[in-house]
Amino acid sequence: DQQVKQNSPSLSVQEGRISILNCDYTNSMFDYFLWYKKYPAEGPTFLISISSIKDKNEDGRFTVFLNKSAKHLSLHIVPSQPGDSAVYFCAASARGSTGGFKTIFGAGTRLFVKA
Amino acid sequence: GAGVSQSPSNKVTEKGKDVELRCDPISGHTALYWYRQSLGQGLEFLIYFQGNSAPDKSGLPSDRFSAERTGGSVSTLTIQRTQQEDSAVYLCASSFGSGGPYEQYFGPGTRLTVT
Repeated sequence: DQQVKQNSPSLSVQEGRISILNCDYTNSMFDYFLWYKKYPAEGPTFLISISSIKDKNEDGRFTVFLNKSAKHLSLHIVPSQPGDSAVYFCAASARGSTGGFKTIFGAGTRLFVKA
Repeated sequence: GAGVSQSPSNKVTEKGKDVELRCDPISGHTALYWYRQSLGQGLEFLIYFQGNSAPDKSGLPSDRFSAERTGGSVSTLTIQRTQQEDSAVYLCASSFGSGGPYEQYFGPGTRLTVT
């Protein structure tokens, strides 16, 4: 039962162009969404997040859009740079049974930015 | 400051043996999470601890898996009678308290290989 889905395993983009990574979720209880970036042999690092009360959050070259009715979010990177090449994980959080916030991750999308 | 650390970084074990994986979270973080990433797969939630509350064990794949968190700090993930399908990178993350779905800080992971 995949509650968070990233249907594109990989994406290739030319340097300077826009990268769009997509994510779908099924659980309407999720109220906070995050994107993480992962380089090989390292743990994921937090990139950007959005609360369910918003539809857009921007941080420099990174913008996350949330469409609650469609249960869909996307990460836009513009302009894309070769250093952005990594695996990007979408994550969704909801308050768990023990009071904390349980986070479910998608399978990841590997982004290649070509110079 | 010090980030999340995990030990060992690599572990090779024979099928049927027990293993213990250790996680040292960031000081002051009350939430601690364990995930695993199998080859070519996303991050699979295993368990999380929030302060002194009972842990959410809903992601543990079988009763061979267990985890403890002593004194609200260090955590140990134990896998008994390891199987080849347990081979994966085991990632630990920590975050601030239960007031919100704060970003998680990940350790570098422990790569477990069961032969």
